[in-house]
Amino acid sequence: AQSVTQPDIHITVSEGASLELRCNYSYGATPYLFWYVQSPGQGLQLLLKYFSGDTLVQGIKGFEAEFKRSQSSFNLRKPSVHWSDAAEYFCAVGGNTDKLIFGTGTRLQVFP
Amino acid sequence: GAGVSQSPSNKVTEKGKDVELRCDPISGHTALYWYRQSLGQGLEFLIYFQGNSAPDKSGLPSDRFSAERTGGSVSTLTIQRTQQEDSAVYLCASSLAPPGGFLFSPLHFGNGTRLTVT
Repeated sequence: AQSVTQPDIHITVSEGASLELRCNYSYGATPYLFWYVQSPGQGLQLLLKYFSGDTLVQGIKGFEAEFKRSQSSFNLRKPSVHWSDAAEYFCAVGGNTDKLIFGTGTRLQVFP
Repeated sequence: GAGVSQSPSNKVTEKGKDVELRCDPISGHTALYWYRQSLGQGLEFLIYFQGNSAPDKSGLPSDRFSAERTGGSVSTLTIQRTQQEDSAVYLCASSLAPPGGFLFSPLHFGNGTRLTVT
């Protein structure tokens, strides 16, 4: 069955610190992987996506994610977090014509 | 241009009543999703329409939930005999193509309908 696990419900970091948000997926075919961000009071926005090729993908706002097939993971990273990055982050998996399934999300809090 | 439009933005209903939630996707988008967002549950998939294919209803939580998409455009999510556990924000999203389609486009989300069942 298609599923996404985000094991961290809530993460707190200091501004300027590095960040890694974990995502593990289960999918029976070639996965298409995504990270979306939901800022307070706003809709969801695509950060980045992985379809094929280079397993390290770059996204907007300085985020990157690495696809590791052996670990069924697609962790999101940022070298230096800004206060404006405080939001909820959702990992998602889909297929060629398959639906997009989201994880339960990780809420990021940034301290000055 | 216009984004995904959902109505109503807020709906308060009594337990046992039926409700209809409406979604107007972006014109030309073939894929349309309904998700439910509640505290601690993330984005729960409900139903997926893709072009003229039969919808994927595997996420609908019970037979009280149904959805249709008329003419490949507007979609209505109906919840019959509402229960308190149905209280949540119902999000609609559309995209130009399937997730892995050649013409990739991200999902465009509406602002949601906040449903409160009293």
